[in-house]
Amino acid sequence: DAGVIQSPRHEVTEMGQEVTLRCKPISGHDYLFWYRQTMMRGLELLIYFNNNVPIDDSGMPEDRFSAKMPNASFSTLKIQPSEPRDSAVYFCASSGRVSISGNTIYFGEGSWLTVV
Amino acid sequence: GNSVTQMEGPVTLSEEAFLTINCTYTATGYPSLFWYVQYPGEGLQLLLKATKADDKGSNKGFEATYRKETTSFHLEKGSVQVSDSAVYFCALIRFPYKYIFGTGTRLKVLA
Repeated sequence: DAGVIQSPRHEVTEMGQEVTLRCKPISGHDYLFWYRQTMMRGLELLIYFNNNVPIDDSGMPEDRFSAKMPNASFSTLKIQPSEPRDSAVYFCASSGRVSISGNTIYFGEGSWLTVV
Repeated sequence: GNSVTQMEGPVTLSEEAFLTINCTYTATGYPSLFWYVQYPGEGLQLLLKATKADDKGSNKGFEATYRKETTSFHLEKGSVQVSDSAVYFCALIRFPYKYIFGTGTRLKVLA
């Protein structure tokens, strides 16, 4: 089974440039999450979607960050303009229907972003 | 608020040693609890989970028991291998569907 697919795996860009990270969730999953991982702050939830609708974007650091989910099989996280402090690993994750007992989320392999 | 606290790493052990990684949580009600593992250069993978008090999750020789009275979910393994070297994350889920992760504990197993 295909897991969560992210692209690019690695990106090096110059400060001020636009960065677009892409994610294809597992087919049939209706929750999609974007996380950022850094040494200093650990794993942070940026935003999550349910049925393509953003539910909680309180973790998005500032207006330079935006996320979209135009359909059930695709999402983007965009940073414009990028800054060196945005350097991190960005993970996309997806999960199936929520239940009261909780559910497993499946992570992609991450997009390693370096802004110089 | 809801939070997860893990022991600081790194934890360095010799092969075949006993492993314990402590995890405690703060939450209202009875959240589901999880351990995820991250191998170098990869995303997080579910290792085990428990959905109610006294449940024991287990996988690949790892175990953790949901202790309501001590609000803990400590990860244990009787005999670690070099291949267990990774970062381990404790997590809980709160409705409506927000995962809260601990800071992660790096484990290094020496041959």
